[in-house]
Amino acid sequence: GQNIDQPTEMTATEGAIVQINCTYQTSGFNGLFWYQQHAGEAPTFLSYNVLDGLEEKGRFSSFLSRSKGYSYLLLKELQMKDSASYLCAVMDSNYQLIWGAGTKLIIKP
Amino acid sequence: DVKVTQSSRYLVKRTGEKVFLECVQDMDHENMFWYRQDPGLGLRLIYFSYDVKMKEKGDIPEGYSVSREKKERFSLILESASTNQTSMYLCASIQAGLGQPQHFGDGTRLSIL
Repeated sequence: GQNIDQPTEMTATEGAIVQINCTYQTSGFNGLFWYQQHAGEAPTFLSYNVLDGLEEKGRFSSFLSRSKGYSYLLLKELQMKDSASYLCAVMDSNYQLIWGAGTKLIIKP
Repeated sequence: DVKVTQSSRYLVKRTGEKVFLECVQDMDHENMFWYRQDPGLGLRLIYFSYDVKMKEKGDIPEGYSVSREKKERFSLILESASTNQTSMYLCASIQAGLGQPQHFGDGTRLSIL
């Protein structure tokens, strides 16, 4: 079966760095997406990786290793507004998105 | 910017009612999706559509149907609402092409009493 695993919850301190991991087992691979979702709001797109390596976008970076079925989202210089759920999703061979359950990130002052 | 609009943010209905959730996107996207989101389960695909009058079942279509009479509008129908359909419903649209992100509406929090 298809499976996406990410930690349920993480806590970090304002100004620090946090890494949110995602491992996947899917039927084929056409890219991995990271989304941010604040409580009660819609998910918003953060990043897309289809090749191995690190993609950097300001304070956020996303890494992919296809051979390991592994990705992480790295958030630097954490701000209180980064408190949200972070969703990992993989596009399979049928171009369907398989979603993880999300990681709730709590930022403490 | 892509705009995906869902007709209601909050909705309360009674068991057995027929419920319509509407979604409209303004970017001429071919592909549209309906998900439900429940705590600890992530997004689960109910139905999707690749074109007008075309629909495909997702992972959990039971108890639901959809309608896509126009390209910009994708409606989700609960034929006879039940309490286990209380959930957050999210509509998304996407431009065809590898790597294109799905754009989501604000969601409808539906309570079935």
